[in-house]
Amino acid sequence: AQSVTQLDSQVPVFEEAPVELRCNYSSSVSVYLFWYVQYPNQGLQLLLKYLSGSTLVKGINGFEAEFNKSQTSFHLRKPSVHISDTAEYFCAVSAGGFGNEKLTFGTGTRLTIIP
Amino acid sequence: DVKVTQSSRYLVKRTGEKVFLECVQDMDHENMFWYRQDPGLGLRLIYFSYDVKMKEKGDIPEGYSVSREKKERFSLILESASTNQTSMYLCASSSIAGGRNEQYFGPGTRLTVT
Repeated sequence: AQSVTQLDSQVPVFEEAPVELRCNYSSSVSVYLFWYVQYPNQGLQLLLKYLSGSTLVKGINGFEAEFNKSQTSFHLRKPSVHISDTAEYFCAVSAGGFGNEKLTFGTGTRLTIIP
Repeated sequence: DVKVTQSSRYLVKRTGEKVFLECVQDMDHENMFWYRQDPGLGLRLIYFSYDVKMKEKGDIPEGYSVSREKKERFSLILESASTNQTSMYLCASSSIAGGRNEQYFGPGTRLTVT
């Protein structure tokens, strides 16, 4: 079974400052990793995903994440945030490959951008 | 683009009522999911369906049932709604193609049980 830990429930950041949202996972098998974003009163939207290959993954809206197998982490970063990045961010993990369709989600990090 | 739609954005029901939440996807996905989302708890899987008429319990199935009579439609049923089922309910779908496991979400239904 897999599990995900998002240590920070809330992260306030000034506009145009960099941000890092932390995600650690636990799994005994190879994994797929995802970051989803949820804007107020909306469903979840995929930001980026790691399936295999390069450990640095680029997503939409200028976000990127780095898969670190030795530290079992998949932290999300953005060099300069905007007001429009205010949202809740969820990290998720699944066992890789066919027949492992379920995702396990973290508890979320609420990102608040301060003007 | 994949589209997942949910029948209602907001719903208010009384304790003891039978509640149906409907979800439809238009991308011929094999897998469909129902989650509930509560502050500080993230998303928790209620039920999962990997084919028509096939279902599997998730982490919190108690008090819920599901129905999948057609590939594109997955219904969540609260047989007798209770106040502790007040929550945001999210439906998602995914394809088995490529084994990538990426899920596509609907906009959610915020259910209040009074």
